Amino acid sequence: DGGITQSPKYLFRKEGQNVTLSCEQNLNHDAMYWYRQDPGQGLRLIYYSQIVNDFQKGDIAEGYSVSREKKESFPLTVTSAQKNPTAFYLCASSRVKGGNQPQHFGDGTRLSIL
Amino acid sequence: AQSVTQLGSHVSVSEGALVLLRCNYSSSVPPYLFWYVQYPNQGLQLLLKYTSAATLVKGINGFEAEFKKSETSFHLTKPSAHMSDAAEYFCAVSDDMDSSYKLIFGSGTRLLVRP
Repeated sequence: DGGITQSPKYLFRKEGQNVTLSCEQNLNHDAMYWYRQDPGQGLRLIYYSQIVNDFQKGDIAEGYSVSREKKESFPLTVTSAQKNPTAFYLCASSRVKGGNQPQHFGDGTRLSIL
Repeated sequence: AQSVTQLGSHVSVSEGALVLLRCNYSSSVPPYLFWYVQYPNQGLQLLLKYTSAATLVKGINGFEAEFKKSETSFHLTKPSAHMSDAAEYFCAVSDDMDSSYKLIFGSGTRLLVRP
């Protein structure tokens, strides 16, 4: 079945450490997105990419980095510069043919601080 | 700029009662509107989407939503709540003016279903 796979499901970060969250899709979608979810705040966009080797900052990109070397993969690195990384991180993908394309979501990674 | 407002962070209904979750949007052009559902520790699942073909949109699990341009609303309803409907629901908006095709999400409404 086609879908989006996020790993790991749970991740713990030590102070000063960078961690990388994986996101892989086999839906042949061009666009991929990373969101951060905090209780009561809905989803906030971190980064998005519409094509390989290109990506744009979202609303809360500070302290995060991404790469898009393959169409199927869009890993997110939470750097030590992100002082409050504890959150639920969601990856999504969609076609790029106008604003009527729904986004498909993975099951998320929950990141906590040790 | 686009925005979405979901009235009520929590809504509680009895099993079998009508479910009504409210969503109002702001967009300078005809919008595309979506409702998603999220169960605990899972991603978001698409319930339904409005793309101007019809103002009343039917989705999965018996949910439907009506687009009302005059009220800038896209409320989600279900005639009879089931215990399995307990989850968090998100309304989202997009349009063709923003070439990034980003979705703007509301802050969510948690639906509680009482037995």
